[in-house]
Amino acid sequence: EIVMTQSPATLSVSPGETATLSCRASQSVNSYLAWYQHKPGQAPRLLIYGASTRATDIPARFSGTGSGTDFTLSIGSLQPEDFAVYYCQQYHSWPRYTFGQGTRLDIK
Amino acid sequence: QVQLMESGGGVVQPGRSLRLSCAASGFDLRSFGLYWVRQLPDKGLEWVAVISYNGNDKYYADSVKGRFTISRDTSNNTLFLQMNSLRPEDTAVYYCAKDLRWGPYPFDSWGQGTLVTVSS
Repeated sequence: EIVMTQSPATLSVSPGETATLSCRASQSVNSYLAWYQHKPGQAPRLLIYGASTRATDIPARFSGTGSGTDFTLSIGSLQPEDFAVYYCQQYHSWPRYTFGQGTRLDIK
Repeated sequence: QVQLMESGGGVVQPGRSLRLSCAASGFDLRSFGLYWVRQLPDKGLEWVAVISYNGNDKYYADSVKGRFTISRDTSNNTLFLQMNSLRPEDTAVYYCAKDLRWGPYPFDSWGQGTLVTVSS
């Protein structure tokens, strides 16, 4: 099983600043990496797939980079609605997807 | 507009059964893979099961294989998860999700989840 490790577990950032979230795979997943945003009581939302492709209607302040085992999600000019939990997911071993444990983005 | 809505969660004793439903709208179930994913308490997300766009292929996580069965009713646009021999470690919020397309692609739509609690 490919293990996904996210860091940090919690990140506190002020509105208007940039948040940088990390995700590491236990083995190469090439670019088969997605990022999701999850707010309490809501459906998770796909942000990024293919490591760097924004999903439909996702603002340009969300960007993804990386390939192989190390990936980054950057959120620029943080808005109040961006504070949520973020998960990375590898789909290289489809259909046996695995997810990271999540990074909670808090308002500083 | 794609929508997925889970139902059927609740409290159940260990060893008993429960069937979850996921009502889908805004897309044709016969064109996409449909998944169940669960979020264990204080833990991350875990893929549970998938049914292919044509219904011919079904895959399960090792943790539920032999106990859970995924199925669908295309005439009523509904996905199901039959859960038998439930264990306390099956306690989780269960989500249904749709893939971007069949194959190694992520989920582009999820439901809001339904809570299953397995406890005596």
